[in-house]
Amino acid sequence: ETGVTQSPTHLIKTRGQQVTLRCSSQSGHNTVSWYQQALGQGPQFIFQYYREEENGRGNFPPRFSGLQFPNYSSELNVNALELDDSALYLCASSLDRGQENEQFFGPGTRLTVL
Amino acid sequence: QKEVEQDPGPLSVPEGAIVSLNCTYSNSAFQYFMWYRQYSRKGPELLMYTYSSGNKEDGRFTAQVDKSSKYISLFIRDSQPSDSATYLCAMRRNAGNMLTFGGGTRLMVKP
Repeated sequence: ETGVTQSPTHLIKTRGQQVTLRCSSQSGHNTVSWYQQALGQGPQFIFQYYREEENGRGNFPPRFSGLQFPNYSSELNVNALELDDSALYLCASSLDRGQENEQFFGPGTRLTVL
Repeated sequence: QKEVEQDPGPLSVPEGAIVSLNCTYSNSAFQYFMWYRQYSRKGPELLMYTYSSGNKEDGRFTAQVDKSSKYISLFIRDSQPSDSATYLCAMRRNAGNMLTFGGGTRLMVKP
């Protein structure tokens, strides 16, 4: 069984640029969630995708957008990067089984905005 | 006030000690409770997953949920240096999949 993988591992961008982060879900999982974790903080929910549709969104502006593909992999896109976007971006996959759906996290992508 | 509060630590204990980690929360709609372990520069690893109130044991780990007090705990018995990490509590409502995390407690187990 393959776990959740994310790419790239690290990324450095400058303010105003755009970035795309990628996530491959665990084998058999159909749901992907994205979280932002600032240094020294707990993860904050950005949004979730289920069967290629957005299925819930946290308190993040529209410049944070995403996609889910038919193979359940996912992308997180951030436009007009700001310094405060510097964080660890985590992807979590789960199998939607009604109420029982533990989320398993990938290693994250560390984004630095200069 | 944050929905989920967690003492950031650091908590330093000697090897073999019993560790108690706690979170309090304010939203009574939370029904599912989780504990994750996160090593430095890594993603969170799911340790325990519980539904509603009660206890759950898995090896050296015991999770407790007291919904009446809005309080959850994770106990680690016979702590090891390899347990040194940040422990995150997380919870979600009955509907939806958004996890709300505490800020994490940094644990250091000294040999």
